[in-house]
Amino acid sequence: GAVVSQHPSRVICKSGTSVKIECRSLDFQATTMFWYRQFPKQSLMLMATSNEGSKATYEQGVEKDKFLINHASLTLSTLTVTSAHPEDSSFYICSAFDMGQGAREQFFGPGTRLTVL
Amino acid sequence: KNEVEQSPQNLTAQEGEFITINCSYSVGISALHWLQQHPGGGIVSLFMLSSGKKKHGRLIATINIQEKHSSLHITASHPRDSAVYICAVNWGTSGSRLTFGEGTQLTVNP
Repeated sequence: GAVVSQHPSRVICKSGTSVKIECRSLDFQATTMFWYRQFPKQSLMLMATSNEGSKATYEQGVEKDKFLINHASLTLSTLTVTSAHPEDSSFYICSAFDMGQGAREQFFGPGTRLTVL
Repeated sequence: KNEVEQSPQNLTAQEGEFITINCSYSVGISALHWLQQHPGGGIVSLFMLSSGKKKHGRLIATINIQEKHSSLHITASHPRDSAVYICAVNWGTSGSRLTFGEGTQLTVNP
């Protein structure tokens, strides 16, 4: 099946720094990618929809200036957590979706665990 | 409000048992997904279905569109099946966005 990678898998940073997380579709072109956040023992929460070549669409309550999303190519979307604070510590997961294939199957990345000290 | 409900929230079984996890949703959908999340966090898509039944190895997924209900069955369960199983749906008008159930934590004891 299709493969989506995320990098890094784990990151620990100091409060106030910015962290970039990459999501790549390895063997298909992803016209749409989604970024999710997951707190312990909770389900995934959609943060934003990333469309190649256009601005991301953010869910209500998600600060677009804090969570910067760039989808500059058909295989790469990045999420930058700016001026990170301890409350941003979470598990971030991306999924990729190729609407060009007409199917709705989404392929999930392995996730990135962010810890802000 | 469009909702997805899973049951049970937690399930403990002995190795070899037949397991069923249920998912109900509130309005019409275009597709339903069963996902598996292991303790490390990575998510694997098990099935995507819009009607009928699909089988892959020891896993079987069924959906009843009229009753707005889907089940995930695991036959001859094994400790390596221990994971969180998540039901997610594409609503009929929401395109590719998914709405997730709360997940079912399955523990299979040897």
